[in-house]
Amino acid sequence: QVQLQESGPGLVKPSETLSLTCTVSGASVTSHYWSWIRQPPGKGLEWIGYIYYSGSTRYNPSLESRVTISIDTSKKQFSLDLRSVTAADTAVYYCARDSTFGWFDSWGQGTLVTVSS
Amino acid sequence: DIQLTQSPSFLSASVGDRVTITCRASQGINSDLAWYQQKPGKAPKLLIYAASFLQSGVPSRFSGSRSGTEFTLTISSLQPEDFATYYCQQLNTYPPPFGQGTKVEIK
Repeated sequence: QVQLQESGPGLVKPSETLSLTCTVSGASVTSHYWSWIRQPPGKGLEWIGYIYYSGSTRYNPSLESRVTISIDTSKKQFSLDLRSVTAADTAVYYCARDSTFGWFDSWGQGTLVTVSS
Repeated sequence: DIQLTQSPSFLSASVGDRVTITCRASQGINSDLAWYQQKPGKAPKLLIYAASFLQSGVPSRFSGSRSGTEFTLTISSLQPEDFATYYCQQLNTYPPPFGQGTKVEIK
């Protein structure tokens, strides 16, 4: 059974870079697309972007200028970097597996990242 | 961009009730829609994909249907563990939009 686990700092200062890693177990990362999705407190879900094992990426245009998603297949990990953060980036960040048909069939538990000085 | 409008935003119901949640797309999306359940402090859980296909392990009281650009999630007999927030999501378009959510609470 596939499991995903986010890790990274829970507090980031404004203007700095938010960096998170998702570790995958129970499945190969060389299949499917792997996404990051976030949810501000009390609000809805926003897709950030995905990566394929080949390194191919696609990002939400609203965040594209500040986002980089990378993958390390040897460690079965993929990562998110979000630059120049503001308070508006405070959210629970989820990593998720894209079924390849567009739905997200496995999710990490989520990690709250707060942007504050 | 395609917009998804869920209704209602909030629903109060009793155990055993039949519950229906609607998601309307701003344009035709075929059957490219999924439904998720999210409980407080937890990640969303996939319930339905491709409008009407039940994800493995999801109870059969959950069902999905489509009529044109209107999609429906139905819970045939609401159980205590079903009180949660439900989201629809459009598939195969980027960025994939989510509905704003429907919170189902105990009456």
